[in-house]
Amino acid sequence: QKEVEQDPGPLSVPEGAIVSLNCTYSNSAFQYFMWYRQYSRKGPELLMYTYSSGNKEDGRFTAQVDKSSKYISLFIRDSQPSDSATYLCAMSAHNYGQNFVFGPGTRLSVLP
Amino acid sequence: ETGVTQSPTHLIKTRGQQVTLRCSSQSGHNTVSWYQQALGQGPQFIFQYYREEENGRGNFPPRFSGLQFPNYSSELNVNALELDDSALYLCASSLDRDEQYFGPGTRLTVT
Repeated sequence: QKEVEQDPGPLSVPEGAIVSLNCTYSNSAFQYFMWYRQYSRKGPELLMYTYSSGNKEDGRFTAQVDKSSKYISLFIRDSQPSDSATYLCAMSAHNYGQNFVFGPGTRLSVLP
Repeated sequence: ETGVTQSPTHLIKTRGQQVTLRCSSQSGHNTVSWYQQALGQGPQFIFQYYREEENGRGNFPPRFSGLQFPNYSSELNVNALELDDSALYLCASSLDRDEQYFGPGTRLTVT
């Protein structure tokens, strides 16, 4: 079993749809949870950062962490074609910025 | 403010050769992390340098080595290249190991 699992997609949705992206993990020591967006031929960019369990909202993006189920989610409301990218979850046990473990990424296409 | 830059953009090497990849961190940042991203996979942590000292290492063999300079730029060196080393190599910089900003990566192909 991989340490972090993520549905690779691709996921295609119409513009304006609500998108749900999910990751599961096996290491209960993870405390820091991140979502990155990666456009083709670019480096990942940080979208959301959450420490421990709970929800966090930033504009159209909401991140949820359920440590008891070892499950994290990213919701995108009113999805736009510019949201088309690969979404990577990442997590870390000790310190933000160190020893991240990334999921394999989910490719999302938002169709106009 | 200058973002994270990496050079070269693309590189083709032969199995058994050695390669050096370079990263210039964002202005004011003192921490650099290196990642390997194989096609269709998420990035895998190689190591991190903080104030010129190695500060954490992932599950990569010793032929992957690095260096951080006094200006906090960094190099990743890979010896005895193998076909499986073909990947996108990403550098990320941060201030005091906080939020990371990624560069565009170097695409390495080993033939």
